[in-house]
Amino acid sequence: DTAVSQTPKYLVTQMGNDKSIKCEQNLGHDTMYWYKQDSKKFLKIMFSYNNKELIINETVPNRFSPKSPDKAHLNLHINSLELGDSAVYFCASSQGHLSYEQYFGPGTRLTVT
Amino acid sequence: SQQGEEDPQALSIQEGENATMNCSYKTSINNLQWYRQNSGRGLVHLILIRSNEREKHSGRLRVTLDTSKKSSSLLITASRAADTASYFCATEEVGGAQKLVFGQGTRLTINP
Repeated sequence: DTAVSQTPKYLVTQMGNDKSIKCEQNLGHDTMYWYKQDSKKFLKIMFSYNNKELIINETVPNRFSPKSPDKAHLNLHINSLELGDSAVYFCASSQGHLSYEQYFGPGTRLTVT
Repeated sequence: SQQGEEDPQALSIQEGENATMNCSYKTSINNLQWYRQNSGRGLVHLILIRSNEREKHSGRLRVTLDTSKKSSSLLITASRAADTASYFCATEEVGGAQKLVFGQGTRLTINP
């Protein structure tokens, strides 16, 4: 069974469109994250939820809106997509939000044309 | 802001040799973690070392932490082709925003 899964794996869309990426974890973890990895492999946290509560919200444009319907799911909705949003987006989860290893999903490669 | 910086950015060695990667960081930390990323895949956790620990082992992996120098090293012994990947260090800062801050990674290539 996949521990952290994301859909879709690839997403190609045009500027100005709205898209969503879904994430699910079956590890029973309390904390989930969204990361963005740019073309230089630099990985930066975007959001973190603990027990469905937002605890980290980095300086991310408000076009990005995370939603956690329950502890096992954390979705990312992106409005008005821009060229600079092209990247690989990773979902991750951990048992808690301090001093725990994180389990990453396979990533969603978003290409905005 | 970027906390950890890995050195070297790229490393190419022969199978069977040892590989050493270094990570430097800037602030006081609760712990430091190493992750591996194979091409086109998500990150996989390797080792977590806490600020009061100096060395940790896991199989062929050895991690050291020197908090006085704000640096860590990851040693992979008897490397294999399957070890080819990017390796990232990540730090959790003391009193920080309860997040991991990743370095830019070391790209390791093991030549058969």
